Amino acid sequence: DIQLTQSPSFLSASVGDRVTITCRASQGISSYLAWYQQKPGKAPKLLIYAASTLQSGVPSRFSGSGSGTEFTLTISSLQPEDFATYYCQQLNSYPFTFGPGTKVDIK
Amino acid sequence: QVQLVQSGAEVKKPGASVKVSCKASGYTFTSYGISWVRQAPGQGLEWMGWISAYNGNTNYAQKLQGRVTMTTDTSTSTAYMELRSLRSDDTAVYYCARDHLDVGDYWGQGTLVTVSS
Repeated sequence: DIQLTQSPSFLSASVGDRVTITCRASQGISSYLAWYQQKPGKAPKLLIYAASTLQSGVPSRFSGSGSGTEFTLTISSLQPEDFATYYCQQLNSYPFTFGPGTKVDIK
Repeated sequence: QVQLVQSGAEVKKPGASVKVSCKASGYTFTSYGISWVRQAPGQGLEWMGWISAYNGNTNYAQKLQGRVTMTTDTSTSTAYMELRSLRSDDTAVYYCARDHLDVGDYWGQGTLVTVSS
């Protein structure tokens, strides 16, 4: 199975900050990577797929980049509604594993 | 609008089975697959498997092989996930998601399954 790691596991940031989360795959996955946002007690929400394609309706302050084994999710200017946990998921080969998550909290 | 509505919370004893439903609306059911993902309390997301609503093809996570069955009923646009021989570590919120280009673009609200004696 392909393993995903995320860094950091936790980050504390302020409204307006630029935030970057990294996801690394144990082997190359081309651009088969998605990012999700999850708030407590809610289902995950798709933000980005194919590493860099913004899902319809997602604010443009979210962006994704990378290919192969290293990927990043960037929030250009953190908003109050962005405090949540973020997960990456690889879609290169079954099982479609998730990363362990990055919790973004208020500083 | 696309909606996935899941069945309600369940409490089961170890060794029992549970069947969670996921009723889809707002799109052509057979044009997309359905993925199932679970989340144990305070933990991350775990991909369980996928089913094609078009032809019923499935792909299950190896760790669940033999205990999980995913099915669909195209007449009611409903997907089902059955998990057998339940153990305490199966306690989790179970989610269904519409599968678009292998990603979950719309998700159900989640179903809490508690396994306890």
